[in-house]
Amino acid sequence: QKEVEQNSGPLSVPEGAIASLNCTYSDRGSQSFFWYRQYSGKSPELIMFIYSNGDKEDGRFTAQLNKASQYVSLLIRDSQPSDSATYLCPLGPGSSNTGKLIFGQGTTLQVKP
Amino acid sequence: GAVVSQHPSRVICKSGTSVKIECRSLDFQATTMFWYRQFPKQSLMLMATSNEGSKATYEQGVEKDKFLINHASLTLSTLTVTSAHPEDSSFYICSVRSSYNEQFFGPGTRLTVL
Repeated sequence: QKEVEQNSGPLSVPEGAIASLNCTYSDRGSQSFFWYRQYSGKSPELIMFIYSNGDKEDGRFTAQLNKASQYVSLLIRDSQPSDSATYLCPLGPGSSNTGKLIFGQGTTLQVKP
Repeated sequence: GAVVSQHPSRVICKSGTSVKIECRSLDFQATTMFWYRQFPKQSLMLMATSNEGSKATYEQGVEKDKFLINHASLTLSTLTVTSAHPEDSSFYICSVRSSYNEQFFGPGTRLTVL
């Protein structure tokens, strides 16, 4: 079983809509969760991190974490064509605390004007 | 977040030569840096963890004699691809680990081996 699972997409939404991206993970020991955005040909950039159950909002982005159900999601409100990218949700270090992030395949988001 | 630079951004070399890639943490003292490789349409693959002042820790399947990592200071880690071959052509990205376990990535180095 993969440690991080994401639907590779592409997820296509119209401009102005809410885009919902989801991740499930298998390691119950993970303490931290991250969302990165990667444009084609570029390196990943950090959007948000979340450590506690519940929602965390930052501008148009809301991260949701449910440790009991082992999923983390990202909502993007008022989606813009510039949001078109691949979104990655790596797991942060668990009890081993090596600092390593475990990446899945990512979800490609397409926002159509 | 931490600002990370990489040099060069793009390199083309002949098969059999060695290539050195530098990763610099510009505003953060990084005891831990990571090196990733990413092939087209694939996810990031962690190659190794670079620890300042000690030997790097390589992921399973990564040849440590081929991918030499040196982390001599808190702001600089280098990756040397020795005797590069066409199959080593890839996008190499470094990252810096912050105090809160976030990682901030450099802009990447695109290596093409002819």
